[in-house]
Amino acid sequence: GQSLEQPSEVTAVEGAIVQINCTYQTSGFYGLSWYQQHDGGAPTFLSYNALDGLEETGRFSSFLSRSDSYGYLLLQELQMKDSASYFCAVRGAVGNFNKFYFGSGTKLNVKP
Amino acid sequence: NAGVTQTPKFRILKIGQSMTLQCTQDMNHNYMYWYRQDPGMGLKLIYYSVGAGITDKGEVPNGYNVSRSTTEDFPLRLELAAPSQTSVYFCASNSAASGANVLTFGAGSRLTVL
Repeated sequence: GQSLEQPSEVTAVEGAIVQINCTYQTSGFYGLSWYQQHDGGAPTFLSYNALDGLEETGRFSSFLSRSDSYGYLLLQELQMKDSASYFCAVRGAVGNFNKFYFGSGTKLNVKP
Repeated sequence: NAGVTQTPKFRILKIGQSMTLQCTQDMNHNYMYWYRQDPGMGLKLIYYSVGAGITDKGEVPNGYNVSRSTTEDFPLRLELAAPSQTSVYFCASNSAASGANVLTFGAGSRLTVL
């Protein structure tokens, strides 16, 4: 089976940097994704890591270490609009190739 | 380009009633998915489809049925609704080709069973 662990809530101030961690246990692994969801909205794709290392997209970066079954999302220069929930998701490999499994999400509160 | 469209946006059902949540996408994506999201929780996979005529169960399929007669449409059927099915339902799709690791979600359907 698959399980993903994330902190339930993180608070940071505007302009700061915040890191949201994700550890996973999976019977097969094809990649780690991150999604953002504002209250009442739909999840939207942020980033994807298939290989170890850092991927940067503007103010957001995502990191993966497959040997540690661990990844994180790094948000820099926080803005009020970044207040949202952030989900990590793994894509199952081989027999579960087309299935995406989500963590329970981390609620990010950005304060002025 | 509408993306993924879900209807209805809101629905209240009585226990034992049945209904169908509609999902259609205009991106010619092969793969389509149904997830449910309970308050404060992550998304749980109900059913998915890799193409017309092919569906398979996800993590929480009990109480639901799906069909995929066309590439565009992937309706989710709830039979004999129960309070435990009160949730927000999201339909999603992605392409087997480019962007294979990116799920595009619909706006969601909020269902309450009383």
